Parts: sequence; C-alpha cells; structure tokens
Amino acid sequence: ETGVTQTPRHLVMGMTNKKSLKCEQHLGHNAMYWYKQSAKKPLELMFVYNFKEQTENNSVPSRFSPECPNSSHLFLHLHTLQPEDSALYLCASSQAGMANTEAFFGQGTRLTVV
Amino acid sequence: RKEVEQDPGPFNVPEGATVAFNCTYSNSASQSFFWYRQDCRKEPKLLMSVYSSGNEDGRFTAQLNRASQYISLLIRDSKLSDSATYLCVWRERPNNNDMRFGAGTRLTVKP
Repeated sequence: ETGVTQTPRHLVMGMTNKKSLKCEQHLGHNAMYWYKQSAKKPLELMFVYNFKEQTENNSVPSRFSPECPNSSHLFLHLHTLQPEDSALYLCASSQAGMANTEAFFGQGTRLTVV
Repeated sequence: RKEVEQDPGPFNVPEGATVAFNCTYSNSASQSFFWYRQDCRKEPKLLMSVYSSGNEDGRFTAQLNRASQYISLLIRDSKLSDSATYLCVWRERPNNNDMRFGAGTRLTVKP
C-alpha cells in the first residue's frame, strides 16, 4: 500500500463539468500539497496545507478550489476548467517543521480537459 | 533570472559511465536541498538529501556549493535502471514546508 493515495488516476472532463480529486495520506504527516506537472515544465506548487490550514496559494485561478477536512485528506475541486489545465496533478505530504524532511508523492491524477 | 537553472538534457550515456548534473539556484536564502528521481509517468521519489558537507549513497554523490549557489549529483558506474529524470529540489526557509522543483534533467543509460 502506498503512503499517499490519489483518486482517480485518470480523469477526462468537459469545460463545464465539476469534478474533485482526492488525496489521502497514511503516513501521519501534518502538511499536504497540491502540485501541477505540465509537459516539459517544472512541477508547480499550487497549494500548501499545514495542520489543515491553508498556508500558501501560488496565484492559482479560482476554478481550482482546495479543501482539507483533516490532516490525512486533501481534495481539489475543479470547475469550468480550460484545456490548458490538462496536466498531471500530484498530491504530496510531509512532516511540518522539520527542515530536511522529504515529501512523499501520490501517483497523481492525469487530467484531460476537453 | 529563473529561481533555478537545470540542464534539461537529455544525457545519453553508456552503461558504466560516470555522469554529473548541476543545478544552480538564485535565492541565497534557500535552505534545504534534495535530489528527486522521476520515472516516466510516475511520481517523483526522493533520491537523496544534499548536505552542506556533501554526502554519498552508494554510486550517488551529492554536493552543495553555497558560494557559487549550485548543487550537483554524480552517478558512477551507471546502470540501465538509472534512466529517469532527475529533479533538483529546494526549500527556502527551514520551517517552510513548500518544496520547489527544477525542470529536471533527463538521463538515458544505454547498453
């Protein structure tokens, strides 16, 4: 069983649809993240949650809406997306407050907006 | 200037070769550094942390040069299984949890 689980693994949605991505971590971590990985671009940090509180939003459009109900679960709600939002969306977790702690990633959701 | 500059490659090397990647960063306040590995269509995974004094893990050696603001990764005796994209990663503040990623360097090891 992987420490960070993401569902669904693949998602195709129309521009008028509403969908949600789910992430769950089983590592006892207290920080969770959403990253976006587009083709031939670096991973882009989207949102950071520490102890369920959002601490960073890197100028992400409002059509992406995160939710963190507890330290083990993270959602990314999607609505009225654009084709350029097609990418691999990666969730990660780590232990907050420890400088050299690594982040563990889920396997990602490959999103295609049509 | 970009936050980080990483040669995208691709690096194509024969088995057994030694290969090195560099990653330069612009923010001198950057605190923690890592190398991650990402296989095709998979998630990134930690390869090794980079310590100020340099560190080695088997065939892999990581170095940090704060004066010149770069980190490096050296792979000795390359294996076919080393083929992947190598990402340099940093954290800017010690208690800040967001990790920033370089664009990655693609390595292909050939028989």
